[in-house]
Amino acid sequence: EVHLVESGGGFVQPGRSLRLSCAASEFTFEDFAMHWVRQIPGQGLEWVASITWNSDATDFADSVKGRFTISRDNAKNSLFLQVSSLRVEDTAFYYCAKESRPWKYDFYMDVWGKGTPVTVSS
Amino acid sequence: AIHLTQSPSSLSASLKDRVTITCRASQDIRSALAWYQQEPGKAPKLLIYDASSLERGVPSRFSGSGSGTEFTLTISSLQPEDFATYYCQQCNGSPTFGQGTRLDI
Repeated sequence: EVHLVESGGGFVQPGRSLRLSCAASEFTFEDFAMHWVRQIPGQGLEWVASITWNSDATDFADSVKGRFTISRDNAKNSLFLQVSSLRVEDTAFYYCAKESRPWKYDFYMDVWGKGTPVTVSS
Repeated sequence: AIHLTQSPSSLSASLKDRVTITCRASQDIRSALAWYQQEPGKAPKLLIYDASSLERGVPSRFSGSGSGTEFTLTISSLQPEDFATYYCQQCNGSPTFGQGTRLDI
């Protein structure tokens, strides 16, 4: 079964940084674009960032542009989100998600992890 | 950014009811729309992509339609496991999600 497991979340002060990771298994990771989506508990979904299967392209929501970086290591089946200059409003559950079809960059997400919580507070 | 508005925001229905949720986009997104279901405490699940294509493994009671700026998700006969929150997502450029529709018994 296709599996995504996020890690790296935690409690941090405003202005600090975290590196979120997503470990993928049971699919050919290098063939699929990957995405990060966040959700404040009890609220809606917000797309954060995406990366193509070969890292040729990355995209970011305006709310995180310049502060967050997305990357991947296909040899290690891993996806990363470097979150910097954190703000209170970045507090959310962060999900990694897999693109639904190989070699596509359509932002359709067919498999999601369980998420990792990030809390930004002084 | 393209804004999506879902209606209604919440909906009460009964088992075997037919329900329809609408998603309106602030500009033409052709058919670049997906629908997701999210149960409490769980990650979202992809139901529909390209506005009307049923994701593998999703029951046929779910269907999507529309193009341009107006889209609908229809559940033909509600089952107990369908009571959840539903989100539309536009994928015409940087993706955005609708605010969600909570479906209660």
